[in-house]
Amino acid sequence: EPEVTQTPSHQVTQMGQEVILRCVPISNHLYFYWYRQILGQKVEFLVSFYNNEISEKSEIFDDQFSVERPDGSNFTLKIRSTKLEDSAMYFCASSLQVLPSPLHFGNGTRLTVT
Amino acid sequence: KQEVTQIPAALSVPEGENLVLNCSFTDSAIYNLQWFRQDPGKGLTSLLLIQSSQREQTSGRLNASLDKSSGRSTLYIAASQPGDSATYLCAVSSSNTGKLIFGQGTTLQVKP
Repeated sequence: EPEVTQTPSHQVTQMGQEVILRCVPISNHLYFYWYRQILGQKVEFLVSFYNNEISEKSEIFDDQFSVERPDGSNFTLKIRSTKLEDSAMYFCASSLQVLPSPLHFGNGTRLTVT
Repeated sequence: KQEVTQIPAALSVPEGENLVLNCSFTDSAIYNLQWFRQDPGKGLTSLLLIQSSQREQTSGRLNASLDKSSGRSTLYIAASQPGDSATYLCAVSSSNTGKLIFGQGTTLQVKP
């Protein structure tokens, strides 16, 4: 069964550094998302992306965050200057349609900012 | 603002029991509701998706119901097995961008 792939599985970075989290969505999917889960907290929506532009973003997704689909297969989340509070599990998801298709999630990238 | 709550936060049952997990949401204007399973350190696996016009969905031993007017959904697991041990998350979609609002999850332990 096709799946969403995320790399790396774990990333450690120092405060102030830039990180890029990578995702390969399911190949025929058209809608892409990033979510995050801080340890012990709810899964939170960050951003949705369709047709090469952001369709919705949360208040968490400030100017430090950006997303890109640089080619036909990858979907990336960049954090320009990481903060301690950015430490979390970041999940990429994709769906065939925005509604009524289910979202398919990757296994996540655990980001640790020291 | 949509809020999703799941009760109980944790549940421990002996193998073979039937069980019900509860999810409630504050704004009944939803497009759909999705139940996920999350194993420790892993991603989210979609279990069932119920459209706002539907009352229930079934997949194997799982049955999810939706009462949109009262803002509630239940996930029924029949004949539970130790392999069902995981955290179960409920999420609703209130916008046409596919954004999901998640509950905090119910952590289920099924004892052999």
